[in-house]
Amino acid sequence: AQRVTQPEKLLSVFKGAPVELKCNYSYSGSPELFWYVQYSRQRLQLLLRHISRESIKGFTADLNKGETSFHLKKPFAQEEDSAMYYCALHAGGTSYGKLTFGQGTILTVHP
Amino acid sequence: GAVVSQHPSWVICKSGTSVKIECRSLDFQATTMFWYRQFPKQSLMLMATSNEGSKATYEQGVEKDKFLINHASLTLSTLTVTSAHPEDSSFYICSVNSGGSTDTQYFGPGTRLTVL
Repeated sequence: AQRVTQPEKLLSVFKGAPVELKCNYSYSGSPELFWYVQYSRQRLQLLLRHISRESIKGFTADLNKGETSFHLKKPFAQEEDSAMYYCALHAGGTSYGKLTFGQGTILTVHP
Repeated sequence: GAVVSQHPSWVICKSGTSVKIECRSLDFQATTMFWYRQFPKQSLMLMATSNEGSKATYEQGVEKDKFLINHASLTLSTLTVTSAHPEDSSFYICSVNSGGSTDTQYFGPGTRLTVL
């Protein structure tokens, strides 16, 4: 069975500092990885997905199959980045659309 | 993207009663919806996959007789928590898969259930 681990439950940085939210996964096949974000009092929404290889709101994430990681990075954090971030994995195959979520990391960006 | 609504946004009920939560896809016909449960500041746990016109597929450890799912149309799935108990108190979230096997999931705002 697949598993997603986000080792940091809380992460605090100051505005303008670089930030990295860690995500590791275990899955025997070829996974698809996502980052979802939940801002205060808002619903969960997609931030980015590894197959798109795009930067959203300054965030990037690279899938490293050797290290089974999909860390989320931003060079200069902003206060509006404060939110709960979830890493998620789709196993493919018969698990149509099903996502396995990590435990989440609460990011706080201080002014 | 798909717009997903849930009703009610919060509900308080007495132990032993049943509660129905609706999930609607407002602008997208969804053959598949997902129901999650989220504990405070914790991860989302997938409960079941709701399939339009057929039985839901439940995840291991989720009681299908307790959490009844009905997906009678392409825009509506309902989750009924039967004979609710305080341990069922949680945040229930639904999502809609916008298409394809891995395409984006769009989430509802969630329903806060408190069982007294």
